[in-house]
Amino acid sequence: DIQMTQSPSSLSASVGDRVTITCRASQNIRRFLNWYQQKPGKAPKVLIYAASSLQSGVPSRFSGSGSGTDFTLTISSLQPEDFATYFCQQSYSHPGTFGQGTRVEIK
Amino acid sequence: QVQLQESGPGLVKPSETLSLTCTVSGGSVSSGYFYWTWIRQPPGKGLEWIGYVYYSGSTTYNPSLNSRVIMSIDTSKNQFSLKMTSVTAADTAVYYCARERGRDYGDYFDYWGQGTLVTVSS
Repeated sequence: DIQMTQSPSSLSASVGDRVTITCRASQNIRRFLNWYQQKPGKAPKVLIYAASSLQSGVPSRFSGSGSGTDFTLTISSLQPEDFATYFCQQSYSHPGTFGQGTRVEIK
Repeated sequence: QVQLQESGPGLVKPSETLSLTCTVSGGSVSSGYFYWTWIRQPPGKGLEWIGYVYYSGSTTYNPSLNSRVIMSIDTSKNQFSLKMTSVTAADTAVYYCARERGRDYGDYFDYWGQGTLVTVSS
């Protein structure tokens, strides 16, 4: 299985901050990398697919970059509704493994 | 708008079989563009891909669960199902059904059910 490692596992930030979350794959996954946001008690919601494509309806403050083994999710100006847990997921090969999650908390 | 809804028992005894069904509305499980997927999340933990079933009935499972999982699809009812045998407490989790877009269409999970908590306990 391809291992996905996110960092940090949690962070504290203020509204308006720029936030960056990284995800590293254990092997080259080209650009088959997706980002999801999950709020407590809810299903995950896709934000970014194919490393940098913004899902329809997702605010433009979310962006993704990277290829190969190293990827980044950036929130350009954190909003109150963005406090949640974020997961990366590789879709290069089955099983489609997820990172362990990054919890974004209010500072 | 596509909607997915899981249904099934919330409590299963150890060594028994977990059975869940996902009912899809607003879209068809007969479409060849999508893979119909099960994902689980133990309380307070991360996400684990269990496997998928295609409209043709073909399946792919997570090798870590392969011997205990069976998925099927019923195109007449627009549903797909998960059976997991010989469950233990480690199988306690929120189980989600989801739609995975095929590789030519982005290859990500674009619609999810709300999730159903299954507890394994005697």
